[in-house]
Amino acid sequence: AQSVTQPDIHITVSEGASLELRCNYSYGATPYLFWYVQSPGQGLQLLLKYFSGDTLVQGIKGFEAEFKRSQSSFNLRKPSVHWSDAAEYFCAGGTSYGKLTFGQGTILTVHP
Amino acid sequence: DGGITQSPKYLFRKEGQNVTLSCEQNLNHDAMYWYRQDPGQGLRLIYYSQIVNDFQKGDIAEGYSVSREKKESFPLTVTSAQKNPTAFYLCATEDRGSTEAFFGQGTRLTVV
Repeated sequence: AQSVTQPDIHITVSEGASLELRCNYSYGATPYLFWYVQSPGQGLQLLLKYFSGDTLVQGIKGFEAEFKRSQSSFNLRKPSVHWSDAAEYFCAGGTSYGKLTFGQGTILTVHP
Repeated sequence: DGGITQSPKYLFRKEGQNVTLSCEQNLNHDAMYWYRQDPGQGLRLIYYSQIVNDFQKGDIAEGYSVSREKKESFPLTVTSAQKNPTAFYLCATEDRGSTEAFFGQGTRLTVV
């Protein structure tokens, strides 16, 4: 079965520190991969997406993600976190035009 | 203003009542989706529609119903058969070929 796993439920970092959020996928073929961010009580905003090609993907708000086929991973990174980055982050995967499979989400807390 | 409108933002329902959540889009996207979000479980797909007058069950369709009479609208009815309806409901759309989902701001349903 297709699945997306985010191993970390909650991560806390200090403002200005680097960030890495983990995402692992299990698909028969390489899926399309996405990272979304959600502020409390709001919808989801797309940060970045990977379809094919360059395995390092740049997104909005200074985020990037690296696709590693050998590790079935698509981890999200940011070199310096801002307090406004505090939110819940979702990794998602899909194989074609259609429905996505979401990870459980990682809540990011940023300490001043 | 282009986008996805979900209404109402907050909804309260008595046990045993049906309730309908609205999702309207003016993005001219073909596909529309309903997701349910519970804490720690990410988003789970309820129903989706890739074309007018056609829709498919997602992973947790029991106790829900939908219709797609117009391209712009994809209402979700939470029936009394849904045993645990209290959740945050998100509507999404997708343009054919883009594989990128756009989300509404959500409706929080509470059963009282």
